[in-house]
Amino acid sequence: DAGVIQSPRHEVTEMGQEVTLRCKPISGHDYLFWYRQTMMRGLELLIYFNNNVPIDDSGMPEDRFSAKMPNASFSTLKIQPSEPRDSAVYFCASRPGGANTGELFFGEGSRLTVL
Amino acid sequence: AQTVTQSQPEMSVQDAETVTLSCTYDTSENNYYLFWYKQPPSRQMILVIRQEAYKQQNATENRFSVNFQKAAKSFSLKISDSQLGDTAMYFCAFMTSAYSGAGSYQLTFGKGTKLSVIP
Repeated sequence: DAGVIQSPRHEVTEMGQEVTLRCKPISGHDYLFWYRQTMMRGLELLIYFNNNVPIDDSGMPEDRFSAKMPNASFSTLKIQPSEPRDSAVYFCASRPGGANTGELFFGEGSRLTVL
Repeated sequence: AQTVTQSQPEMSVQDAETVTLSCTYDTSENNYYLFWYKQPPSRQMILVIRQEAYKQQNATENRFSVNFQKAAKSFSLKISDSQLGDTAMYFCAFMTSAYSGAGSYQLTFGKGTKLSVIP
């Protein structure tokens, strides 16, 4: 079975440019999460969706960040304009709805470097 | 808000030996899940072991076991017969249970412990 698929795996861009990260969750999973990982702050939840609807975006650092989930099989995280402090690894994760074990299934992450 | 604390930024262990990674957490909830995730150099987060707070029995998965002390809010991971493939970052994580009524399914992570297995 395919796991959570993220692209790109690596992205290097210059300050001020727009960055779009993509995620395909596991088929049938109702919840999708975006996390950011940095050395200083560890793993932080940015936003999560339930059935394509954003539920909690309180972790989105500022208006430069936006996330969408137009359908059950695709989500994007966009940064516009990007800044060097946005450099991090961004993880997408999904899990089934209903009563379950609570486990999140993670993608391999997108490493973003903003110069 | 829940917090998860891992007090050991780095640890090392000889292969075939046993090592214990510490984790404490703070919550006012009674129903929740606790997890240990492994992040090898390949970067992908992999679930190692899971514990439901209402279960008194400690979870085990092959060489991995936990010591769950609910009153002390402690959740340590023991790795027996350590192998080179166990070298990774290990993250302790907390999630409120769906049955708690809190309605939040976010996973709160500790800062991680970097484990090196020495041949």
